[in-house]
Amino acid sequence: DAGVIQSPRHEVTEMGQEVTLRCKPISGHNSLFWYRQTMMRGLELLIYFNNNVPIDDSGMPEDRFSAKMPNASFSTLKIQPSEPRDSAVYFCASTQTSGGQETQYFGPGTRLLVL
Amino acid sequence: AQKVTQAQTEISVVEKEDVTLDCVYETRDTTYYLFWYKQPPSGELVFLIRRNSFDEQNEISGRYSWNFQKSTSSFNFTITASQVVDSAVYFCAHGGSARQLTFGSGTQLTVLP
Repeated sequence: DAGVIQSPRHEVTEMGQEVTLRCKPISGHNSLFWYRQTMMRGLELLIYFNNNVPIDDSGMPEDRFSAKMPNASFSTLKIQPSEPRDSAVYFCASTQTSGGQETQYFGPGTRLLVL
Repeated sequence: AQKVTQAQTEISVVEKEDVTLDCVYETRDTTYYLFWYKQPPSGELVFLIRRNSFDEQNEISGRYSWNFQKSTSSFNFTITASQVVDSAVYFCAHGGSARQLTFGSGTQLTVLP
């Protein structure tokens, strides 16, 4: 079975440009999470969706970040405009929630470098 | 709020040695789960284990074993007869009433040949 798919795997862009990261969760999973990993802050949750609805976006750094989940099989994380401090690895994870704390399965990540 | 502490930033061992990675957590949840993930040099996050707070039985999977002690709020991970391929960053995480996982800062394990 296919795992969580993320694209692109690597992205290099210049400050001020728009960046769009994409995620396809595992088929059948109804919750999707976006995490960011940096040396300074470790792994931190940005936003998560349940049944395509954003539930908690308190981790989104600022208005430059936005996330959407138009359907059960696709989500995007957009940064506009990008800044050098946004450089990080962005992970998408998915799980099938059914009342408990189910295991989250992570994608391979997108390594973003903003120059 | 939840907090996960992995006090060991880096550990270096020689192949075939046993090594234990420590994890201590703080939580206000009465029901919660604890996880370990492995992040090899290639960068992906690989799920290793999930434990329910009601189940304090130790678990063994091949060379891996986990010791969950609610009394000390610890969930330690032991690798027996370590191998070079075990070199990675290992993360402990807590999941509870909030859906998101709270991760520790990770322990970088280096196994030398």
